[in-house]
Amino acid sequence: GAVVSQHPSRVICKSGTSVKIECRSLDFQATTMFWYRQFPKQSLMLMATSNEGSKATYEQGVEKDKFLINHASLTLSTLTVTSAHPEDSSFYICSATRTGNNSPLHFGNGTRLTVT
Amino acid sequence: SQQGEEDPQALSIQEGENATMNCSYKTSINNLQWYRQNSGRGLVHLILIRSNEREKHSGRLRVTLDTSKKSSSLLITASRAADTASYFCATALSGSARQLTFGSGTQLTVLP
Repeated sequence: GAVVSQHPSRVICKSGTSVKIECRSLDFQATTMFWYRQFPKQSLMLMATSNEGSKATYEQGVEKDKFLINHASLTLSTLTVTSAHPEDSSFYICSATRTGNNSPLHFGNGTRLTVT
Repeated sequence: SQQGEEDPQALSIQEGENATMNCSYKTSINNLQWYRQNSGRGLVHLILIRSNEREKHSGRLRVTLDTSKKSSSLLITASRAADTASYFCATALSGSARQLTFGSGTQLTVLP
C-alpha cells in the first residue's frame, strides 16, 4: 500500500527558532499534499494544500508567513514553522493522495512539536 | 461548526462485542470516509462509501450511509483489544480531497 513518511516524529525547540517538518510519499507521486494540525483529543484541521511546483493554498486563519510550505518535488513537501512560540505546540500531520478523485488520503505518522 | 459530528465521543466495550459509531453531517456530500488513528500516530484509511451507496463491508467493518438523514455508521464486529483507537468520519463535498472535512472522532476502547 501507499506509504507516506513524515519526519521528525517529535521535536522540542525553544521559542523563536524555526522547525522544518518533511513529508515524503515513498511509493507514489503526489502532486498534492495536505498539512493538518491536531490538538489533543480533537479532530484534524486542514492548514494548507501543498501543490507541487506552485504556491500552497492556505485555509482561512492560517498565517502563510508563519507556516511556510514548499513542495519542490512530486514526493516531498515541507512545512516550516517559523519563529515558533509555545502556542504553536501541536501535532502536525501530512497526507498525500494519488491522482484522481475519490482517492483515499495516506497519512504520515505525524510530528509532535513542543515549543518551550 | 464541523461538517461531521460523531457520536458517541467515547465508547468502551469488552473484547468480542460489536462497536457502533455514528457520524452526522450537514451538507450534501460526494463520499464519506472512515479513518482510524492510534494514539500519537497518523490516520489510516478504513473505508470509503460513495453518496449513491447505502452499505459497504470490509472484513469486520460495516459502513452504512443514509443520505436522507445525512448520517453514517461504522460497525466493528467481534472487536479486539487492537481495535482500540480513535475513529474519524470525513466527508467529501466533491471528489477533491481538499474538501475532506473530518469529524470530531470517537475514542473506542476495547477491554481484553
